[in-house]
Amino acid sequence: QQQVKQSPQSLIVQKGGISIINCAYENTAFDYFPWYQQFPGKGPALLIAIRPDVSEKKEGRFTISFNKSAKQFSLHIMDSQPGDSATYFCAARASRDSGYALNFGKGTSLLVTP
Amino acid sequence: DSGVTQTPKHLITATGQRVTLRCSPRSGDLSVYWYQQSLDQGLQFLIQYYNGEERAKGNILERFSAQQFPDLHSELNLSSLELGDSALYFCASSVGQVTGELFFGEGSRLTVL
Repeated sequence: QQQVKQSPQSLIVQKGGISIINCAYENTAFDYFPWYQQFPGKGPALLIAIRPDVSEKKEGRFTISFNKSAKQFSLHIMDSQPGDSATYFCAARASRDSGYALNFGKGTSLLVTP
Repeated sequence: DSGVTQTPKHLITATGQRVTLRCSPRSGDLSVYWYQQSLDQGLQFLIQYYNGEERAKGNILERFSAQQFPDLHSELNLSSLELGDSALYFCASSVGQVTGELFFGEGSRLTVL
């Protein structure tokens, strides 16, 4: 079963707008929450990550907001640019018993229009 | 360039056949992970190896197997292939046993006809 649920499946945002992608999880043993960005024909690459003891992390135009009690986290892309058009995956790291593997959401295809 | 090399990039085969996908991790990385990417399931974790030993198993079918060799390269073997096995198979590597940043290769696209 999908341990990390991601929405929306696709998103269209105008240049300069804010892109918001949401993820939810159930396993409270998850201890690390990264976001990966994937361009067509390429493998995913780490964009930004957060640990559950922090509620927000910002790197440039990218911000992760984390709500531990709600078991939700989201990616905000400020001032979205056409170059941000890609597929975004949220993920959560499993516990020691599960070998610390990353569980990925199904991905969000973002299109930023000029 | 992530430093992770996967071969072949594309592979077309028939149902019932067996294929081997190869992965060379980044220099210095001891962990190798295999993921399957399909349109409806996203990125599904298959298996992790750390320094030659199996470390974690995900949704890997019994028809699939993998190993990591002493030089740290890894192979994913897919047998008795079915149409539903058509997907993009990614290899990723990381430095340690505990997953931090994963570095993904560009994938091997398998088409089963």
